[in-house]
Amino acid sequence: DAKTTQPPSMDCAEGRAANLPCNHSTISGNEYVYWYRQIHSQGPQYIIHGLKNNETNEMASLIITEDRKSSTLILPHATLRDTAVYYCIVRVALNTGGFKTIFGAGTRLFVKA
Amino acid sequence: GAGVSQSPRYKVAKRGQDVALRCDPISGHVSLFWYQQALGQGPEFLTYFQNEAQLDKSGLPSDRFFAERPEGSVSTLKIQRTQQEDSAVYLCASSIGTSGRGEQFFGPGTRLTVL
Repeated sequence: DAKTTQPPSMDCAEGRAANLPCNHSTISGNEYVYWYRQIHSQGPQYIIHGLKNNETNEMASLIITEDRKSSTLILPHATLRDTAVYYCIVRVALNTGGFKTIFGAGTRLFVKA
Repeated sequence: GAGVSQSPRYKVAKRGQDVALRCDPISGHVSLFWYQQALGQGPEFLTYFQNEAQLDKSGLPSDRFFAERPEGSVSTLKIQRTQQEDSAVYLCASSIGTSGRGEQFFGPGTRLTVL
């Protein structure tokens, strides 16, 4: 019951920008979009999150459409070490308090030399 | 510590054995989560603690799974009478708050293999 959909895999040439799309058409007005990545044999690593404005940090940029139904994670200059599974996530509030993160299958990004 | 730690990193159990997996969250983090990740799949939510209170355990797959966080810091996930389908990576995560706005920090996981 993931609230996001992503392509299963993508390729990118080293040094080029990697643009990873995500659809979240059922997102609520106060729900943030989060991006994590998981490199083999490691736990997921936080990349960036946003609500409706575009965001940028040292790792990536996040572009969110005006209707908030989709977003794109941009790695401006992909390196071989960026090869990983990238998860676009919308967190779900729990009735009892707190929240949980529902992961989909993610996008497996292959950065090629 | 600098991050979330989990132990052991790898565990091999014979079917029917009980196992206990430990999670040390970041000090001061109120929220603690357990996830199960099968090979080639995304992590799946198991349970959530807010301090010592287990507020949600809807993701636990059966009554053989039990989690606790008695003092609101270290947490243990226990699996009784392990089955082959329990083989997976078990991830622990913590977050400083409860609102879901902040970053969720994940540990490296414990890879459980049930023979």
